[in-house]
Amino acid sequence: DAMVIQNPRYQVTQFGKPVTLSCSQTLNHNVMYWYQQKSSQAPKLLFHYYDKDFNNEADTPDNFQSRRPNTSFCFLDIRSPGLGDAAMYLCATSRDGRRGGREKLFFGSGTQLSVL
Amino acid sequence: GESVGLHLPTLSVQEGDNSIINCAYSNSASDYFIWYKQESGKGPQFIIDIRSNMDKRQGQRVTVLLNKTVKHLSLQIAATQPGDSAVYFCAEIISGNTPLVFGKGTRLSVIA
Repeated sequence: DAMVIQNPRYQVTQFGKPVTLSCSQTLNHNVMYWYQQKSSQAPKLLFHYYDKDFNNEADTPDNFQSRRPNTSFCFLDIRSPGLGDAAMYLCATSRDGRRGGREKLFFGSGTQLSVL
Repeated sequence: GESVGLHLPTLSVQEGDNSIINCAYSNSASDYFIWYKQESGKGPQFIIDIRSNMDKRQGQRVTVLLNKTVKHLSLQIAATQPGDSAVYFCAEIISGNTPLVFGKGTRLSVIA
């Protein structure tokens, strides 16, 4: 089945140690998103790629970076994780918004990040 | 808008009863709304959507109502089942190709 796959499911890192989270999709969608979700809160958009065009949210810390080497893969890099970065990180995709449809997001199961 | 605070509103419903989950949005320019269901340890899952030129849309066991006058959205679940237990989020598109913005969630607990 076509889907959005996130690896790993659980990630533990140390304070200040760089960490990379991965996302892949078989939906061939143009748009990929990274959301951060803390306990009992709504997902918060960090950034998204429209094809190779990177769009950063204004309040996303510089500590968070992203790479999209091709249509199928997108990575979230946290350069120096702090305790406050412990959260669920959700990857999502949607199809080309210029013809409509960007609204319907398909989410992966997320990566739960712990920072020790 | 974004969710703030540490505690989700909770709705407890008896199995078989109907559930109504409410959501208020703040931007009158929002033209598209979606309800997502998020089960524990999983990503949000699309349930139903509605455009601002409609006031009601029905799916299988679910109905979304939109009241643009008071900027209110609701999700009705008929004959609620234990598998409906989850956190429900409303989300909105403010305009055109802007990304989806999630509202506050509501935790639905179904009592068997």
